[in-house]
Amino acid sequence: QSVLTQPPSASGTPGQRVTISCSGSSFNIGSNTVNWYQQLPGTAPKLLIYSNDQRPSGVPDRFSGSKSGTSASLAISGLQSEDEADYYCATWDDSLNGYVFGTGTKVTV
Amino acid sequence: EVQLVESGGNLVQPGGSLRLSCAASGFTFSNYEMNWVRQAPGKGLEWVSYISSSGSTIYYADSVKGRFTISRDNAKNSLYLQMKSLRAEDTAVYYCAREVAAARFDPWGQGILVTVSS
Repeated sequence: QSVLTQPPSASGTPGQRVTISCSGSSFNIGSNTVNWYQQLPGTAPKLLIYSNDQRPSGVPDRFSGSKSGTSASLAISGLQSEDEADYYCATWDDSLNGYVFGTGTKVTV
Repeated sequence: EVQLVESGGNLVQPGGSLRLSCAASGFTFSNYEMNWVRQAPGKGLEWVSYISSSGSTIYYADSVKGRFTISRDNAKNSLYLQMKSLRAEDTAVYYCAREVAAARFDPWGQGILVTVSS
């Protein structure tokens, strides 16, 4: 059972804005940076956001991340059909001495 | 091009063993920390193990501690995962991933399926 909680699903119509939350604790999100991954159907995960709010080159600026206290969020603005995927947050957990992933959120457009 | 390619996946009986390999290319393998992450069928991502660039520091998820061993051969640009006492719940696609910074895994391999079943 993951220590990072995400809503199981989120949806929107093309052009809308969708936000995904990732809730943790002082041992993980509260004391470490958060990264987000996008997993398109049948493919390996891909880094989407790193260090809470940074986009790797090639990731559209429609994707943005933020962190506050023990929670983080991923926002997708101008939703497109190709954004249909599973999204996961991830960070280090100081109490578990290991990395933890969120429960995952399936985005439907 | 930075590339990671896993191999060694198979069908194995409960209690059996298996060794996964991950071949790295397109970057200086010895400079990077590496990880294994798995995904059970229809489930989310689960971090399995971490190894530092030199191999001197290793971490495991509690679910595999004592049964799995991560290792690397920097001369061969390869990462390994030795799995023993396999259980049905170890059935998953196993990914190797390069660690650029804490929890920043980029890129990932294509994944390799391990099935534990009698």
